[in-house]
Amino acid sequence: DAGVIQSPRHEVTEMGQEVTLRCKPISGHDYLFWYRQTMMRGLELLIYFNNNVPIDDSGMPEDRFSAKMPNASFSTLKIQPSEPRDSAVYFCASSPGTSGPNEQFFGPGTRLTVL
Amino acid sequence: AQSVTQLGSHVSVSEGALVLLRCNYSSSVPPYLFWYVQYPNQGLQLLLKYTTGATLVKGINGFEAEFKKSETSFHLTKPSAHMSDAAEYFCAVTGPAGTALIFGKGTTLSVSS
Repeated sequence: DAGVIQSPRHEVTEMGQEVTLRCKPISGHDYLFWYRQTMMRGLELLIYFNNNVPIDDSGMPEDRFSAKMPNASFSTLKIQPSEPRDSAVYFCASSPGTSGPNEQFFGPGTRLTVL
Repeated sequence: AQSVTQLGSHVSVSEGALVLLRCNYSSSVPPYLFWYVQYPNQGLQLLLKYTTGATLVKGINGFEAEFKKSETSFHLTKPSAHMSDAAEYFCAVTGPAGTALIFGKGTTLSVSS
């Protein structure tokens, strides 16, 4: 059973370039979450979806960030234009969203470096 | 509103010693509480969770945590540390199903031989 899949695992880009991070959640999971992890700020929730619909994007830092979930098996997080302060590890997680507590399953993360 | 405070950003123990990682929470609804572990260059992995019922929760790798409502705490323990336990540990709280996790800042556990 494949877990949450993220690509690429590492991304190095130059300031001003567009960056697209990809996530494939676990099949059958109704919720998808994007997090950002930095030394300074720890783990921050950026946005999450329920049944492909964005529910809460209050954590998205600014308009340069956008996320989409065109179908139940794919989501993207885009940064345009990228800046050095966007350097972080970005995690995608999915959850079955049953009536019980929502255990989240995390992907391995994408380490983004913006030069 | 929910929040989590992890006391101590770094804990060091000797191999074989007791591990105690502290977590206090604030929640306006009955909380669901989680401990996750993150090994270097990996994603987060669930260690254990509290929902309802038994307040002492056992997880993987010999870890356990006790939910204490009166103290609003959910501390993580392991009787005997192993070198492989060295990692970062996150406490998290959430509301009813479908809402996001709120993570603490994390505690890095170091284990020395």
